[in-house]
Amino acid sequence: GAGVSQSPSNKVTEKGKDVELRCDPISGHTALYWYRQSLGQGLEFLIYFQGNSAPDKSGLPSDRFSAERTGGSVSTLTIQRTQQEDSAVYLCASSLNNQPQHFGDGTRLSIL
Amino acid sequence: GESVGLHLPTLSVQEGDNSIINCAYSNSASDYFIWYKQESGKGPQFIIDIRSNMDKRQGQRVTVLLNKTVKHLSLQIAATQPGDSAVYFCAEKRNNAGNMLTFGGGTRLMVKP
Repeated sequence: GAGVSQSPSNKVTEKGKDVELRCDPISGHTALYWYRQSLGQGLEFLIYFQGNSAPDKSGLPSDRFSAERTGGSVSTLTIQRTQQEDSAVYLCASSLNNQPQHFGDGTRLSIL
Repeated sequence: GESVGLHLPTLSVQEGDNSIINCAYSNSASDYFIWYKQESGKGPQFIIDIRSNMDKRQGQRVTVLLNKTVKHLSLQIAATQPGDSAVYFCAEKRNNAGNMLTFGGGTRLMVKP
């Protein structure tokens, strides 16, 4: 497709399990961003990739969170030993340099 | 701390009227601002952006105004339609913070038929 694609769209898992969220950016977009949105809240920045490197990891809430990007395209966000406070919508965006960020529809993560 | 925020959490307007959504920011180092529209269950959708060397920019039915003196940003929607009902977020990019966007808390726009 032409837009940012995220999978799965919904994920329900038990506390303590690991989860992996995937983002396929718009083809050719060099920059990729992960954000988290709690219910009824604004977006919280997590991490930013330029190509395969992550110059800004300042938003990752704890060492249970990690992300990687390979081939300058697909990115995965991994949350280890999930906690209930990790429940949120995880949004991915991509952009060309200095152009607006375009978002996917997110992964709604629910931790039981 | 420094943040981007919105004056009104909910705005209710009559169909056909003009809507104005406001946003205040406190970081004078911000050089780029952007408005997104988010419908339920969807990701934010780009509406319009503006750089700090401008004070007004127009799109289709939308206008963004930037007042750097009072650090205020607004989104004007002309002839508001039911399809405009959504949550609107403003965001800023600080010129010393890479490409990271800092988002405000959002305003819900409700359009009454």
